[in-house]
Amino acid sequence: NAGVTQTPKFRILKIGQSMTLQCTQDMNHNYMYWYRQDPGMGLKLIYYSVGAGITDKGEVPNGYNVSRSTTEDFPLRLELAAPSQTSVYFCASRRTSTDTQYFGPGTRLTVL
Amino acid sequence: AQKITQTQPGMFVQEKEAVTLDCTYDTSDPSYGLFWYKQPSSGEMIFLIYQGSYDQQNATEGRYSLNFQKARKSANLVISASQLGDSAMYFCAMREGAGGTSYGKLTFGQGTILTVHP
Repeated sequence: NAGVTQTPKFRILKIGQSMTLQCTQDMNHNYMYWYRQDPGMGLKLIYYSVGAGITDKGEVPNGYNVSRSTTEDFPLRLELAAPSQTSVYFCASRRTSTDTQYFGPGTRLTVL
Repeated sequence: AQKITQTQPGMFVQEKEAVTLDCTYDTSDPSYGLFWYKQPSSGEMIFLIYQGSYDQQNATEGRYSLNFQKARKSANLVISASQLGDSAMYFCAMREGAGGTSYGKLTFGQGTILTVHP
């Protein structure tokens, strides 16, 4: 049982490039989330999903897109990367019975 | 207005002593949940403890307890018998609304860095 896994761990992008951050969970959770954490700050919600095929915007969705074709996977797409997207990105899934979110190890992204 | 406020940027505690990390929240919804997460220097987010707005008793998990004062809208984390491994960033977070209607979305505070001295 791996929990929530994220790839890659680190990535450096040039301005204007695109990439997809991968997130997979093996706990059969319906709810999944993407957060970003800027240096010295708390996490902010980018997008979330309540099940396969259903996604919605969080607090800071601009510049990102998501999809959810399966229960396990919830990739985050960055189009036209900007320096303001330099951050650590966390994926999480939620166990509804305890209302607890379990986080992946994070992806540290730098846009230069 | 800030939904979650953590007023202590940094805290220091001596090993084996207790420490309280402050958290105040702002919501008009009668149903909500409060969470504490630990983020060590390695970066992962570790769930510590949860308190529901309708829970009558303060939550406890091992050395962690949550001092929930509903009228003051505060949810302070108490760590008893501090250990060197407790040195980390600690985040308070809130789920505003019932779990189903809010979709479990969390709002985080800015965190408190705890340093445990030997």
